[in-house]
Amino acid sequence: DARVTQTPRHKVTEMGQEVTMRCQPILGHNTVFWYRQTMMQGLELLAYFRNRAPLDDSGMPKDRFSAEMPDATLATLKIQPSEPRDSAVYFCASGLTRDGKFPLFNSPLHFGNGTRLTVT
Amino acid sequence: KNQVEQSPQSLIILEGKNCTLQCNYTVSPFSNLRWYKQDTGRGPVSLTIMTFSENTKSNGRYTATLDADTKQSSLHITASQLSDSASYICVPGGADGLTFGKGTHLIIQP
Repeated sequence: DARVTQTPRHKVTEMGQEVTMRCQPILGHNTVFWYRQTMMQGLELLAYFRNRAPLDDSGMPKDRFSAEMPDATLATLKIQPSEPRDSAVYFCASGLTRDGKFPLFNSPLHFGNGTRLTVT
Repeated sequence: KNQVEQSPQSLIILEGKNCTLQCNYTVSPFSNLRWYKQDTGRGPVSLTIMTFSENTKSNGRYTATLDADTKQSSLHITASQLSDSASYICVPGGADGLTFGKGTHLIIQP
């Protein structure tokens, strides 16, 4: 059963430290999304890539967040420096899209199990 | 601005009972509506996907309905099981992509 894999599952770090989260999307999916989930806001879109090209990262603070996709099997989300308000669960999802943002009708987004980040 | 309102925020029912979760949305233009199930500590998993022209879609004991005119959807769970305890997220899709609701937290008690 194909699945999206995220590492690490949990990360506790001190304010100011660099955090890197990794995602292995499902082979054959052309679009990778990064989401952040908090109790207050629910799921928020941070950035997404189509065919490894970044299409939109307007959802994330660009001064500290960066997202890359060095190859088809790896997407990364980096926070530097981290702050307590970054504490959340970060999800990676992959799927098939025609224009990048909108999944094809018969193609659901497949989510990983997230990285729970705690910044103290 | 695209918005999704789900009700109730939380719900507790006894095992074996039925329940219905509601979703109101303002997404324009609207294309399709998805329901996701999220278990504690896991990522969301797709339950159903409906286009604007579909009124109902079933997946086992889960049945989703859609009224695109009134911009309302519901998810009905029949004969609930302990494993149905989770958050259920309504996700309308439009030109700007997907808009995620904050979910209904469902607890099934034995």
